[in-house]
Amino acid sequence: SQELEQSPQSLIVQEGKNLTINCTSSKTLYGLYWYKQKYGEGLIFLMMLQKGGEEKSHEKITAKLDEKKQQSSLHITASQPSHAGIYLCGAALNNNDMRFGAGTRLTVKP
Amino acid sequence: GAVVSQHPSWVICKSGTSVKIECRSLDFQATTMFWYRQFPKQSLMLMATSNEGSKATYEQGVEKDKFLINHASLTLSTLTVTSAHPEDSSFYICSARDMTNYGYTFGSGTRLTVV
Repeated sequence: SQELEQSPQSLIVQEGKNLTINCTSSKTLYGLYWYKQKYGEGLIFLMMLQKGGEEKSHEKITAKLDEKKQQSSLHITASQPSHAGIYLCGAALNNNDMRFGAGTRLTVKP
Repeated sequence: GAVVSQHPSWVICKSGTSVKIECRSLDFQATTMFWYRQFPKQSLMLMATSNEGSKATYEQGVEKDKFLINHASLTLSTLTVTSAHPEDSSFYICSARDMTNYGYTFGSGTRLTVV
């Protein structure tokens, strides 16, 4: 079972559209990590959030962590085909081992 | 930045044989290393957590006698899949936690195919 609920499981968007992926935990998160992956390949680190209310941006990707540190969102603005892949949220729920959400498979149609 | 080397990147073995996967932190010392397994179209599932010099802690449902983990030094952990079966075919990926900044760094993964 997943201790991190990630939604949606899959997403198909038209190129240029914005999208949001959510990650929720019933426990307080010591650190929330966002990764991108293509199956069978390694993880690409995107962002890490630690403080309640924190928001970080890199290029067209913005990640936020709520004040309670139990929910995070990843927002992509003006999506491009290069954004396609599997997005994973991960968290050290007991401040040590990192566990992952179920993942969101993103397809961007040209 | 921190780098974790994992190899082999892919391996094909016959049923009944054993396969060893290495995970090495190249430029930092790792207090803890983690092993994950990923089946197609699924997320990464934590298999076990290993601390240098002590026995690994396995997640529920993971057979410790089948998936042998050795963490002999602060820079090396190995996962040995013993008596491999086709259902063990999967993508295995390791992660190392830096003991100075507590950051996580992932290896590039190993695709295991058991025939």
